[in-house]
Amino acid sequence: DAGITQSPRHKVTETGTPVTLRCHQTENHRYMYWYRQDPGHGLRLIHYSYGVKDTDKGEVSDGYSVSRSKTEDFLLTLESATSSQTSVYFCATGGNYNEQFFGPGTRLTVL
Amino acid sequence: SQQGEEDPQALSIQEGENATMNCSYKTSINNLQWYRQNSGRGLVHLILIRSNEREKHSGRLRVTLDTSKKSSSLLITASRAADTASYFCATPQAGGTSYGKLTFGQGTILTVHP
Repeated sequence: DAGITQSPRHKVTETGTPVTLRCHQTENHRYMYWYRQDPGHGLRLIHYSYGVKDTDKGEVSDGYSVSRSKTEDFLLTLESATSSQTSVYFCATGGNYNEQFFGPGTRLTVL
Repeated sequence: SQQGEEDPQALSIQEGENATMNCSYKTSINNLQWYRQNSGRGLVHLILIRSNEREKHSGRLRVTLDTSKKSSSLLITASRAADTASYFCATPQAGGTSYGKLTFGQGTILTVHP
């Protein structure tokens, strides 16, 4: 997994609560990404970062925010979790040849 | 709609057989990538083929790219039960400031029976 960890790996939360997922990399990659994976939708990009404090929206960013205060850490926050945000979330980093390296994923259930 | 679309959606074969998956895309690309995802795990990069390449090999994997047809195929030869996984093609998003973003297809679920 190219030195990418995600925490927590599993989380169950209630509707309306804030949730923060953490991605940590040891590869010193400049680019980082948050995806969600849902049956029938494949992988969809939520937010991405192209440097410390530099982030932008992906295709499904509503209800999510991100922060990157250090090269190695990229946080994804669900400001007020909804049942539609029940999903598996993957963090990835961008390598030198346009390939991406993925973390193990976080399974989030919003009740 | 997805830039890359895989075909078939699911493929079931016996150990030792070859497995072929196809990917079609819509816009011009400078490379195309294939990834594998085992159940409950993150995606793993398998192989990248550049737009000026027609074929590339890596172990039991063979990837072809036909830019005139905007399609690619992934062939796994002499499949093993351990090859059971979902396989995704991915293409870079266009533009000078794409920041390495990729668009993934919906994947082909491969099941290899022992």
